[in-house]
Amino acid sequence: EADIYQTPRYLVIGTGKKITLECSQTMGHDKMYWYQQDPGMELHLIHYSYGVNSTEKGDLSSESTVSRIRTEHFPLTLESARPSHTSQYLCASSERTVGDLVEQYFGPGTRLTVT
Amino acid sequence: RKEVEQDPGPFNVPEGATVAFNCTYSNSASQSFFWYRQDCRKEPKLLMSVYSSGNEDGRFTAQLNRASQYISLLIRDSKLSDSATYLCVVGTDSWGKLQFGAGTQVVVTP
Repeated sequence: EADIYQTPRYLVIGTGKKITLECSQTMGHDKMYWYQQDPGMELHLIHYSYGVNSTEKGDLSSESTVSRIRTEHFPLTLESARPSHTSQYLCASSERTVGDLVEQYFGPGTRLTVT
Repeated sequence: RKEVEQDPGPFNVPEGATVAFNCTYSNSASQSFFWYRQDCRKEPKLLMSVYSSGNEDGRFTAQLNRASQYISLLIRDSKLSDSATYLCVVGTDSWGKLQFGAGTQVVVTP
């Protein structure tokens, strides 16, 4: 089993609220990722990090922000939630290698509903 | 055009039968290939990596065709527990970024 955790698992919140989705891993992985997935659709990368103090935007534009102050922790923040942010958010991590096949390990996801 | 395309299915398969499906990818510079499995409302989990020469893991066989830019997955002797969505995943970035297909749903029936 992968040691990657996400909280909360489910969140229902009103429009305009600030939210932070937590993600932590105990595997010492340098690389971490945030994906967004709507039902029946593919995962879209919204943020990634190659290590502490490194964050990059992914392929899908997102109003969220991330930080990476510690290796094991990669929280995602929405300053003002909107109904269009309703989705499943999946956090993943992988080891730092170059040119090799590298598995990404996923957390259980946070299912966010903005009313 | 999507970077990774899959037939969404569902593929309805009698228990014990064989099922096979493909996915195509658009970036000829893609370097790494995987099949992940995703159960309903769960996170994706790695099923197998796909190597250039093709590889087998128990009842699962994966093939890569670089010339035609497609990957295949074959499941033999299907079990009820094989019912899931199978995600085709392609890496074009040596630093680990992956492109996910939307998945092929497989339903194994008794």
